[in-house]
Amino acid sequence: GAVVSQHPSRVICKSGTSVKIECRSLDFQATTMFWYRQFPKQSLMLMATSNEGSKATYEQGVEKDKFLINHASLTLSTLTVTSAHPEDSSFYICSASPGMGDTEAFFGQGTRLTVV
Amino acid sequence: AQSVTQLDSQVPVFEEAPVELRCNYSSSVSVYLFWYVQYPNQGLQLLLKYLSGSTLVKGINGFEAEFNKSQTSFHLRKPSVHISDTAEYFCAVSEIGGYQKVTFGIGTKLQVIP
Repeated sequence: GAVVSQHPSRVICKSGTSVKIECRSLDFQATTMFWYRQFPKQSLMLMATSNEGSKATYEQGVEKDKFLINHASLTLSTLTVTSAHPEDSSFYICSASPGMGDTEAFFGQGTRLTVV
Repeated sequence: AQSVTQLDSQVPVFEEAPVELRCNYSSSVSVYLFWYVQYPNQGLQLLLKYLSGSTLVKGINGFEAEFNKSQTSFHLRKPSVHISDTAEYFCAVSEIGGYQKVTFGIGTKLQVIP
């Protein structure tokens, strides 16, 4: 089956620093990837759609200058949380799309970000 | 646009009893349907999916779900739960023919009582 690797699984950073999270599709190419965020005891909400070779599309209310997305290759998308604050502490998870078709989304393992 | 409603935020159930977790959805287009499970401090695991065909879908860990198009429901059931089933369960949809962008319900916390 399709495998998506997300790294790191956990990260603790100081307030004001930046953190980069990687999402890789290991055995397929993904022109489209998605980034979701889950606050404690809440559901997963789509943050942005990452498109290879073009700008990401952000959902309403998500600051594009704070959450930088780069999808420079067909197997890698990165999410950088810039100038992180404690309120950015959350569970971030990506999914990669193998293309249009009868299939489910393939999720990474998620990243637990704690900003202290 | 799609939306997913999980009617119960928490469901306590005794071990070995049956359980049903309810899910209704709304969409202007045809969708695929999914149930995911999330154990504490872990990622998502796909329990089962409905893409096409038989409306009764069997998944992992003894779970099954039935797609009811007229009622726009996709309820999850298990005839006998175990302590290890204690987790958060998310119902989700994605648009048919799309790139698998997922809309999640708010989640149902299943608490299995010994």
